[in-house]
Amino acid sequence: GESVGLHLPTLSVQEGDNSIINCAYSNSASDYFIWYKQESGKGPQFIIDIRSNMDKRQGQRVTVLLNKTVKHLSLQIAATQPGDSAVYFCAESRWAAGNKLTFGGGTRVLVKP
Amino acid sequence: GAGVSQSPSNKVTEKGKDVELRCDPISGHTALYWYRQSLGQGLEFLIYFQGNSAPDKSGLPSDRFSAERTGGSVSTLTIQRTQQEDSAVYLCASSGQTAMNTEAFFGQGTRLTVV
Repeated sequence: GESVGLHLPTLSVQEGDNSIINCAYSNSASDYFIWYKQESGKGPQFIIDIRSNMDKRQGQRVTVLLNKTVKHLSLQIAATQPGDSAVYFCAESRWAAGNKLTFGGGTRVLVKP
Repeated sequence: GAGVSQSPSNKVTEKGKDVELRCDPISGHTALYWYRQSLGQGLEFLIYFQGNSAPDKSGLPSDRFSAERTGGSVSTLTIQRTQQEDSAVYLCASSGQTAMNTEAFFGQGTRLTVV
């Protein structure tokens, strides 16, 4: 069935380095792709989204890249900090599905001092 | 309140008992979600309410699970005859449902333990 999934379950990153979190998706009809961050003991929190007609969007220290040819989404975090340690989920939404958010499996990012 | 509120924060119940989990969404948000998350796992979609539309119940794992949303605001997730495999954190989220609102606000969750 349609799904949004992740390549790597755990990513260890040295503090100060850049992090890249990857996500594969299967539904070409998605209107938006979104990244969420979940810290331990908390609910997920919105980071950034990208419309399907774009290929890049930048936020504060984060950049999302969308490659529709290979159905691949990535989140890049610049100068990774200890506070970036969390689980990151990609998600997609479609207007035709009432904007329901469908989440991928998550990647745990561990920042090493 | 300022955010999504869920209650109780923790619930321990005996196998076979019924439980009710409550979600108070952000005022004015028309969309409301329930997700389930097992320890160290991803978000399992359960049900989605959007305005006055019929809810999307496609994620409910069995007929022991049901949810309602009264007056377009508060939602209750009910699990009947709980089983040990129902143990998880149940997360509620709401969103403002603008043209393509992608930012859902999550509550802290209810940790359900079935013993």
